[in-house]
Amino acid sequence: DQQVKQNSPSLSVQEGRISILNCDYTNSMFDYFLWYKKYPAEGPTFLISISSIKDKNEDGRFTVFLNKSAKHLSLHIVPSQPGDSAVYFCAARGLSGSARQLTFGSGTQLTVLP
Amino acid sequence: DAGVIQSPRHEVTEMGQEVTLRCKPISGHDYLFWYRQTMMRGLELLIYFNNNVPIDDSGMPEDRFSAKMPNASFSTLKIQPSEPRDSAVYFCASTANPAYEQYFGPGTRLTVT
Repeated sequence: DQQVKQNSPSLSVQEGRISILNCDYTNSMFDYFLWYKKYPAEGPTFLISISSIKDKNEDGRFTVFLNKSAKHLSLHIVPSQPGDSAVYFCAARGLSGSARQLTFGSGTQLTVLP
Repeated sequence: DAGVIQSPRHEVTEMGQEVTLRCKPISGHDYLFWYRQTMMRGLELLIYFNNNVPIDDSGMPEDRFSAKMPNASFSTLKIQPSEPRDSAVYFCASTANPAYEQYFGPGTRLTVT
């Protein structure tokens, strides 16, 4: 039972346009969400995060939006650059129980075309 | 700091053989995590340690898998005997504060033939 889902395995976007990566979750106990970026032959690296008390967090070209009622978050990259081509994982963390665990989605391969 | 260090980077072995993956966390990080990445299931948490003590191993697929952390700077993930379905990329990650992000190593790509 996947608690964090990234339903699009891949996405292609033209350079300079907006990239929107989506993530859905089922566990209402998740209170903190993260996006990681992964290049081939490297480990995932932290990109941006958002607490459940917020609905938006921005860092340069990257913005994460959280819609708690829909249990949905998205990552916007504007403008997209070829160097953004990577696999993007969303992750969620719970408040109690296995609170120190991150549950990851299956990833979305973003390709930014020059 | 060099970041999280994993070895080997690639491992090819035959079914039935023992495989040992190694991890050195970032100095000062009290939490260490082992993950497995596959095409079908994405990134799965296998086990994590706090202060060298295993806290949650519910993600370990079966008894063939075992993990140890003999000291704060070293952890191993062992598979014995290995099977072709164990083929995946195994990541180690560490953090000083589990409330926030974890720092991943480059991974070990395991192929079991």
